[in-house]
Amino acid sequence: TQLLEQSPQFLSIQEGENLTVYCNSSSVFSSLQWYRQEPGEGPVLLVTVVTGGEVKKLKRLTFQFGDARKDSSLHITAAQPGDTGLYLCAGGMRLYGGATNKLIFGTGTLLAVQP
Amino acid sequence: KAGVTQTPRYLIKTRGQQVTLSCSPISGHRSVSWYQQTPGQGLQFLFEYFSETQRNKGNFPGRFSGRQFSNSRSEMNVSTLELGDSALYLCASSLRTDEKLFFGSGTQLSVL
Repeated sequence: TQLLEQSPQFLSIQEGENLTVYCNSSSVFSSLQWYRQEPGEGPVLLVTVVTGGEVKKLKRLTFQFGDARKDSSLHITAAQPGDTGLYLCAGGMRLYGGATNKLIFGTGTLLAVQP
Repeated sequence: KAGVTQTPRYLIKTRGQQVTLSCSPISGHRSVSWYQQTPGQGLQFLFEYFSETQRNKGNFPGRFSGRQFSNSRSEMNVSTLELGDSALYLCASSLRTDEKLFFGSGTQLSVL
Protein backbone atom coordinates (compact mmCIF):
# COMPACT_ATOMS: atom_id res chain seq x y z
CA THR A 1 0.00 0.00 0.00
CA GLN A 2 1.38 3.36 -1.00
CA LEU A 3 1.16 5.98 1.71
CA LEU A 4 2.16 9.61 1.87
CA GLU A 5 2.73 10.89 5.38
CA GLN A 6 2.63 14.62 5.95
CA SER A 7 4.04 16.48 8.91
CA PRO A 8 3.10 18.36 10.86
CA GLN A 9 -0.59 17.51 10.92
CA PHE A 10 -1.54 20.92 12.34
CA LEU A 11 0.32 24.21 12.35
CA SER A 12 -0.73 27.50 13.90
CA ILE A 13 1.67 30.40 13.37
CA GLN A 14 1.77 34.17 13.44
CA GLU A 15 1.77 36.31 10.32
CA GLY A 16 5.31 36.84 9.06
CA GLU A 17 6.73 33.52 10.30
CA ASN A 18 8.28 30.90 8.04
CA LEU A 19 7.21 27.26 7.93
CA THR A 20 7.98 23.96 6.24
CA VAL A 21 5.62 21.09 5.54
CA TYR A 22 7.01 17.64 4.78
CA CYS A 23 5.61 14.84 2.66
CA ASN A 24 7.28 11.43 2.95
CA SER A 25 6.77 8.01 1.44
CA SER A 26 8.57 4.71 1.01
CA SER A 27 7.30 4.58 -2.58
CA VAL A 28 8.68 6.26 -5.68
CA PHE A 29 6.32 8.52 -7.58
CA SER A 30 6.49 9.76 -11.16
CA SER A 31 5.42 13.19 -9.98
CA LEU A 32 4.52 15.02 -6.79
CA GLN A 33 1.79 17.61 -6.65
CA TRP A 34 0.88 20.10 -3.93
CA TYR A 35 -2.68 21.34 -3.42
CA ARG A 36 -4.35 23.82 -1.11
CA GLN A 37 -7.94 23.26 -0.04
CA GLU A 38 -10.15 25.83 1.68
CA PRO A 39 -13.31 24.94 3.63
CA GLY A 40 -16.22 24.02 1.39
CA GLU A 41 -14.08 23.88 -1.72
CA GLY A 42 -12.13 21.30 -3.69
CA PRO A 43 -8.32 21.21 -3.71
CA VAL A 44 -6.55 23.68 -5.99
CA LEU A 45 -3.27 22.65 -7.61
CA LEU A 46 -0.30 24.79 -6.57
CA VAL A 47 2.58 23.03 -8.31
CA THR A 48 3.74 19.78 -9.91
CA VAL A 49 7.34 18.56 -9.61
CA VAL A 50 8.52 15.64 -11.72
CA THR A 51 12.33 15.48 -11.55
CA GLY A 52 14.27 14.23 -8.52
CA GLY A 53 15.92 17.20 -6.81
CA GLU A 54 13.68 19.68 -8.59
CA VAL A 55 12.94 22.99 -6.84
CA LYS A 56 10.08 25.25 -7.88
CA LYS A 57 9.16 28.66 -6.51
CA LEU A 58 5.74 30.25 -6.54
CA LYS A 59 6.03 33.73 -4.98
CA ARG A 60 6.62 33.02 -1.25
CA LEU A 61 6.21 29.25 -1.66
CA THR A 62 9.16 26.96 -2.42
CA PHE A 63 8.59 23.32 -3.37
CA GLN A 64 11.24 20.62 -3.50
CA PHE A 65 11.12 17.05 -4.77
CA GLY A 66 13.53 14.63 -3.12
CA ASP A 67 16.38 13.16 -5.16
CA ALA A 68 14.85 9.67 -4.93
CA ARG A 69 11.36 10.98 -5.78
CA LYS A 70 9.96 9.62 -2.52
CA ASP A 71 9.56 12.82 -0.55
CA SER A 72 8.84 16.51 -0.94
CA SER A 73 8.70 19.68 1.07
CA LEU A 74 6.81 22.94 0.92
CA HIS A 75 8.37 26.03 2.48
CA ILE A 76 6.40 29.23 3.00
CA THR A 77 8.26 32.44 3.70
CA ALA A 78 6.62 35.27 5.65
CA ALA A 79 3.24 33.53 5.96
CA GLN A 80 0.10 35.60 5.57
CA PRO A 81 -3.48 34.96 6.79
CA GLY A 82 -4.42 34.25 3.16
CA ASP A 83 -2.15 31.18 3.28
CA THR A 84 -4.52 29.53 5.76
CA GLY A 85 -5.90 26.23 4.52
CA LEU A 86 -5.36 22.50 4.20
CA TYR A 87 -2.19 21.65 2.30
CA LEU A 88 -2.13 18.28 0.55
CA CYS A 89 0.66 16.54 -1.29
CA ALA A 90 -0.25 13.93 -3.88
CA GLY A 91 1.88 11.37 -5.64
CA GLY A 92 1.29 10.60 -9.30
CA MET A 93 1.82 7.17 -10.76
CA ARG A 94 2.33 5.55 -14.11
CA LEU A 95 0.44 2.33 -14.63
CA TYR A 96 0.76 -0.43 -17.19
CA GLY A 97 -1.67 1.35 -19.47
CA GLY A 98 0.35 4.55 -19.31
CA ALA A 99 -0.60 7.86 -17.77
CA THR A 100 -3.29 8.07 -15.12
CA ASN A 101 -5.01 10.67 -13.00
CA LYS A 102 -4.97 8.33 -10.00
CA LEU A 103 -3.26 10.25 -7.24
CA ILE A 104 -2.20 9.04 -3.80
CA PHE A 105 -2.95 11.91 -1.46
CA GLY A 106 -1.06 12.70 1.71
CA THR A 107 -2.63 12.91 5.13
CA GLY A 108 -2.79 16.73 4.97
CA THR A 109 -1.43 19.66 6.96
CA LEU A 110 -3.91 22.15 8.36
CA LEU A 111 -2.28 25.58 8.49
CA ALA A 112 -3.69 28.56 10.38
CA VAL A 113 -1.92 31.89 10.06
CA GLN A 114 -2.96 34.35 12.74
CA PRO A 115 -2.88 38.08 11.91
CA LYS B 1 -14.84 29.50 -18.54
CA ALA B 2 -16.99 27.64 -16.04
CA GLY B 3 -15.26 25.32 -13.59
CA VAL B 4 -16.14 21.77 -12.65
CA THR B 5 -19.76 21.64 -11.50
CA GLN B 6 -20.99 19.04 -9.05
CA THR B 7 -24.61 18.51 -8.10
CA PRO B 8 -26.16 18.33 -5.66
CA ARG B 9 -24.02 20.30 -3.22
CA TYR B 10 -25.46 18.57 -0.15
CA LEU B 11 -27.33 15.33 0.24
CA ILE B 12 -28.83 13.51 3.20
CA LYS B 13 -29.76 9.86 2.84
CA THR B 14 -30.55 6.97 5.16
CA ARG B 15 -28.83 3.61 5.39
CA GLY B 16 -29.81 1.20 2.65
CA GLN B 17 -30.77 3.87 0.13
CA GLN B 18 -28.87 4.57 -3.05
CA VAL B 19 -27.55 7.87 -4.37
CA THR B 20 -26.39 9.32 -7.69
CA LEU B 21 -23.96 12.21 -7.86
CA SER B 22 -23.33 14.26 -10.97
CA CYS B 23 -20.25 15.98 -12.33
CA SER B 24 -19.97 18.32 -15.32
CA PRO B 25 -16.30 18.81 -16.31
CA ILE B 26 -14.77 21.96 -17.71
CA SER B 27 -15.75 22.37 -21.35
CA GLY B 28 -13.35 20.44 -23.55
CA HIS B 29 -12.04 18.23 -20.75
CA ARG B 30 -12.36 14.55 -21.51
CA SER B 31 -10.92 13.00 -18.36
CA VAL B 32 -12.95 12.80 -15.16
CA SER B 33 -11.82 11.37 -11.83
CA TRP B 34 -13.71 10.87 -8.58
CA TYR B 35 -12.31 11.02 -5.06
CA GLN B 36 -13.80 10.44 -1.60
CA GLN B 37 -12.66 12.70 1.24
CA THR B 38 -13.23 11.81 4.91
CA PRO B 39 -11.61 13.18 8.08
CA GLY B 40 -10.21 9.75 8.93
CA GLN B 41 -8.99 8.48 5.56
CA GLY B 42 -8.34 11.74 3.72
CA LEU B 43 -8.69 11.80 -0.06
CA GLN B 44 -9.00 8.42 -1.71
CA PHE B 45 -9.25 7.65 -5.41
CA LEU B 46 -12.52 6.10 -6.63
CA PHE B 47 -12.52 6.00 -10.45
CA GLU B 48 -11.07 7.57 -13.54
CA TYR B 49 -12.84 7.90 -16.90
CA PHE B 50 -11.64 9.00 -20.31
CA SER B 51 -13.84 9.07 -23.39
CA GLU B 52 -16.57 7.02 -21.68
CA THR B 53 -14.12 4.27 -20.65
CA GLN B 54 -13.15 3.50 -17.08
CA ARG B 55 -9.37 3.58 -17.06
CA ASN B 56 -8.74 2.95 -13.41
CA LYS B 57 -10.60 2.01 -10.25
CA GLY B 58 -9.70 2.42 -6.59
CA ASN B 59 -10.11 -0.05 -3.74
CA PHE B 60 -13.80 0.48 -3.03
CA PRO B 61 -16.56 -2.16 -2.83
CA GLY B 62 -18.76 -2.90 -5.81
CA ARG B 63 -21.50 -0.71 -4.31
CA PHE B 64 -19.58 2.20 -5.78
CA SER B 65 -19.98 2.55 -9.53
CA GLY B 66 -19.66 5.25 -12.12
CA ARG B 67 -20.00 6.11 -15.75
CA GLN B 68 -19.12 8.80 -18.24
CA PHE B 69 -21.34 10.02 -21.04
CA SER B 70 -20.43 11.07 -24.57
CA ASN B 71 -20.45 14.75 -23.53
CA SER B 72 -17.85 13.89 -20.83
CA ARG B 73 -20.32 14.44 -17.99
CA SER B 74 -19.97 11.79 -15.33
CA GLU B 75 -22.11 10.23 -12.63
CA MET B 76 -21.24 8.05 -9.69
CA ASN B 77 -23.68 5.82 -7.88
CA VAL B 78 -23.50 4.33 -4.42
CA SER B 79 -26.01 1.59 -3.62
CA THR B 80 -27.05 0.22 -0.23
CA LEU B 81 -25.61 3.20 1.62
CA GLU B 82 -23.73 2.64 4.87
CA LEU B 83 -22.94 5.15 7.62
CA GLY B 84 -19.29 5.03 6.61
CA ASP B 85 -20.14 6.36 3.16
CA SER B 86 -20.68 9.80 4.67
CA ALA B 87 -18.05 11.93 3.00
CA LEU B 88 -17.25 14.75 0.62
CA TYR B 89 -17.23 13.33 -2.91
CA LEU B 90 -14.99 15.31 -5.23
CA CYS B 91 -14.89 15.22 -9.00
CA ALA B 92 -11.89 16.44 -10.99
CA SER B 93 -11.47 16.97 -14.69
CA SER B 94 -8.49 17.42 -16.98
CA LEU B 95 -7.98 17.99 -20.66
CA ARG B 96 -6.37 14.59 -21.05
CA THR B 97 -5.05 11.99 -18.65
CA ASP B 98 -1.97 13.00 -16.67
CA GLU B 99 -2.62 16.71 -17.06
CA LYS B 100 -3.51 19.38 -14.51
CA LEU B 101 -6.54 18.39 -12.45
CA PHE B 102 -9.32 20.87 -11.70
CA PHE B 103 -11.53 19.90 -8.77
CA GLY B 104 -15.15 20.77 -8.21
CA SER B 105 -16.48 21.94 -4.83
CA GLY B 106 -17.79 18.48 -4.09
CA THR B 107 -21.01 16.86 -2.91
CA GLN B 108 -21.28 16.49 0.85
CA LEU B 109 -23.12 13.23 1.50
CA SER B 110 -24.49 12.45 4.95
CA VAL B 111 -25.85 8.98 5.64
CA LEU B 112 -28.10 8.72 8.70
